[in-house]
Amino acid sequence: ETGVTQTPRHLVMGMTNKKSLKCEQHLGHNAMYWYKQSAKKPLELMFVYNFKEQTENNSVPSRFSPECPNSSHLFLHLHTLQPEDSALYLCASSQVGEGGWYNEQFFGPGTRLTVL
Amino acid sequence: ELKVEQNPLFLSMQEGKNYTIYCNYSTTSDRLYWYRQDPGKSLESLFVLLSNGAVKQEGRLMASLDTKARLSTLHITAAVHDLSATYFCAVDIRAAYTGKLIFGQGTTLQVKP
Repeated sequence: ETGVTQTPRHLVMGMTNKKSLKCEQHLGHNAMYWYKQSAKKPLELMFVYNFKEQTENNSVPSRFSPECPNSSHLFLHLHTLQPEDSALYLCASSQVGEGGWYNEQFFGPGTRLTVL
Repeated sequence: ELKVEQNPLFLSMQEGKNYTIYCNYSTTSDRLYWYRQDPGKSLESLFVLLSNGAVKQEGRLMASLDTKARLSTLHITAAVHDLSATYFCAVDIRAAYTGKLIFGQGTTLQVKP
């Protein structure tokens, strides 16, 4: 595997289900991100993890719960979602450098989520 | 409030024509990135601009950065259909531990034969 991988690529779930999205980066980076991209909307940053520590939670509802067990893996746990949560969820990684620059982000292929 | 604004948001052009997409940002930054996204796909990195006056070219695309004006441009030369996609600029906010990229709204480019 190379780059940033995400599984599953497509997910359909009911509002009462619990599911998880998985992201893995094979680039040796130390920061990982979750983004939400809805139809015809800008990218919305959800969470940032730097060296496994969450450094950003962009006012995301608690029905989205991130987990970063190590610098290579990132999960997004989903429960009791709403239809408006249907979107493309993108994971990205980057190398945080000296001076705090977060640098170029490399994106995974995304998970297309549909909430019924 | 930090803002990154692209214009135009939608661009329909004929093959063979030239055009420029603009990216204005409201905060101090020396680093800017351009990404391409095809429909239903992820974002692909196009250019990394790391200093004032930086210019990068790849094929029919050329990107530049003017940090004093807080402006980046993506110039398209002799457009072809394969360039049809959405293009995002993203500004690197330098802030220890809480830094992130701020993305523009995206410019959807449609190149017609």
